[in-house]
Amino acid sequence: GESVGLHLPTLSVQEGDNSIINCAYSNSASDYFIWYKQESGKGPQFIIDIRSNMDKRQGQRVTVLLNKTVKHLSLQIAATQPGDSAVYFCAENTYRGTSYGKLTFGQGTILTVHP
Amino acid sequence: DGGITQSPKYLFRKEGQNVTLSCEQNLNHDAMYWYRQDPGQGLRLIYYSQIVNDFQKGDIAEGYSVSREKKESFPLTVTSAQKNPTAFYLCASRAQETQYFGPGTRLLVL
Repeated sequence: GESVGLHLPTLSVQEGDNSIINCAYSNSASDYFIWYKQESGKGPQFIIDIRSNMDKRQGQRVTVLLNKTVKHLSLQIAATQPGDSAVYFCAENTYRGTSYGKLTFGQGTILTVHP
Repeated sequence: DGGITQSPKYLFRKEGQNVTLSCEQNLNHDAMYWYRQDPGQGLRLIYYSQIVNDFQKGDIAEGYSVSREKKESFPLTVTSAQKNPTAFYLCASRAQETQYFGPGTRLLVL
């Protein structure tokens, strides 16, 4: 089956820097993408999503960019704070028959923010 | 965690024992999901339910069972047939395309 993966397993930044977390996907039919944040011992928390008909979407301190040409997704966090330290992973959704509503998840990137 | 609750937070299983993990949601979502998370791996789908009284096997259903008698509840039973049950179990429910997760249950084997 097709999968979603991440370029970098770990990312360390200084407080106040901008962070960029990357994700590569291989299913060109994917219609919808989500970024989640997962703190240690907790369930994943929805951050932001983007549909395949968009290139960019902004939230509070976060921006997701989608490049369908190279099948690449990125999450940008502005002015990174220690509370942003967590595992971040992307997920894709392909609307196709019985796959509706089933997400494929990447393994995750560990973001560590140093004060 | 929104309106999704999972209990217990920690669960210990003895050899040959079946254990049941609870998942409840008050979000009025039709679809619910169970995932397993192992260190260094992505989430893997165990079972999912698109509507009450219906559920489908995911990618790693062997050794697990579910029921969906009520819209709000989607319990997962880890049976004795599951030989490597130690993991973090996550329940989710879906609104349109987005899945929202509960806080998780960590299952350990004694």
